[in-house]
Amino acid sequence: SYELTQPLSVSVALGQTASITCGGNNIGRKDVHWYQQKPGQAPTLVIYRDGNRPSGIPERFSGSNSGNTATLTISRAQAGDEADYYCQVWDSTTVVFGGGTTLTVL
Amino acid sequence: EVQLVESGGGSVQPGGSLRLSCAASRFSFSSYWMSWVRQAPGKGLEWVANIRQDGSEKYYVESVKGRFTISRDNAKNSLHLQMNSLRAEDTAVYYCAREDSGYGSEMDVWGKGTTVTVSS
Repeated sequence: SYELTQPLSVSVALGQTASITCGGNNIGRKDVHWYQQKPGQAPTLVIYRDGNRPSGIPERFSGSNSGNTATLTISRAQAGDEADYYCQVWDSTTVVFGGGTTLTVL
Repeated sequence: EVQLVESGGGSVQPGGSLRLSCAASRFSFSSYWMSWVRQAPGKGLEWVANIRQDGSEKYYVESVKGRFTISRDNAKNSLHLQMNSLRAEDTAVYYCAREDSGYGSEMDVWGKGTTVTVSS
């Protein structure tokens, strides 16, 4: 079965840039989606199909995908960006989520 | 505003059954794939099952095959998850989510979730 690997945690200083990676075999050949989940809330989509932002998501959120790694980048990090972030792909007829990364803004 | 509202969660003993429902509103429900995603306490997201617009295709995570059944009623804008032979490891918050287009697409709308607890 296909696996997605994310770091358990990432820290970033307020106003700096955070990068959250999602590793998978030839993930660059798949569409990668990213979700933000704050405590006690449902997930929300922040990036779809590698690097597209849904309406209402700040331009500070961007994504890229190549080779064996997809990356979610959050520029000018704010306290409100503290959350868990999950990557997601389809593998054949199965939907796969990464294990999630907790972003801490210092 | 596009909305998904889950219901039907609760506490059940191991081996028991529950039927979850998800009511969709303010979008053309019959035009979208739909998914169930769960999250065990303190854990990450786990996809459970999804269903094509007309119900002709259904897919499941291996751990629920043969125990869970996903279905939909497009006339009533509702999605369901019949859960049988429940186990302690099925304890989770269950979310329904809209898939933008199936096969590779993202989940662009989520409900707030309903909690299922399996315990003796």
